Amino acid sequence: EVELVESGGGLVKPGESLRLSCAASGFTFSVYSMNWVRQAPGKGLEWVSSISSAGSITKYADSMKGRFTISRDNAKNSLYLQMNSLRAEDTAVYYCARAMRGGGTLFDHWGQGTPVTVSS
Amino acid sequence: EIVMTHSPATLSVSPGERATLSCRASQSVSSNLAWYQQKPGQAPRLLIYGASTRATGIPDRFSGSGSETEFTLTISSVQSEDFAVYYCQQYNNWPLTFGGGTKVEIK
Repeated sequence: EVELVESGGGLVKPGESLRLSCAASGFTFSVYSMNWVRQAPGKGLEWVSSISSAGSITKYADSMKGRFTISRDNAKNSLYLQMNSLRAEDTAVYYCARAMRGGGTLFDHWGQGTPVTVSS
Repeated sequence: EIVMTHSPATLSVSPGERATLSCRASQSVSSNLAWYQQKPGQAPRLLIYGASTRATGIPDRFSGSGSETEFTLTISSVQSEDFAVYYCQQYNNWPLTFGGGTKVEIK
């Protein structure tokens, strides 16, 4: 069974940094592209970033470019999101999501999310 | 950026009724359109991809149609467990974008 478990969320002040992790199990992690999607309180879904299976290609939403860095460790079946210069508007639940193989970047499995609050 | 727009924002239906949800793209996304269901406090769940293909384990009362800029998600007979928020997502172009969602509520 596919399982994605996020961790690392919490309360930080504006300008601070946070590193999220996602532990994957139940599938061959190294052959799947992986993604982060977030959801601000009471709002809709917002794509954050994607990384190819080998980690050689990364994509970011414009508002995160230069501040967030996605990475992965296929030996550890883990996905990461380094978030720097955090702003109040980055407050959200951050989901780790697997991209469907061969179908384009849509998300066929999701973790339960880790909450991030940016507040002074 | 491709903007995805849902209509209506809220749909009130009685159990057993048919529900029709619409999603419009600001430019063509071909058939690269997915639908997700999200219940309160839960992660989203993939329902439909390729505009009309049901994901694994999704009941056949859910169906998707459309292409280019106009898409529809139909629930043929709404069950109690279907009351939720539904999102469309285009994956034809970067950045990937979601619509703001349609909330299906009990009438």
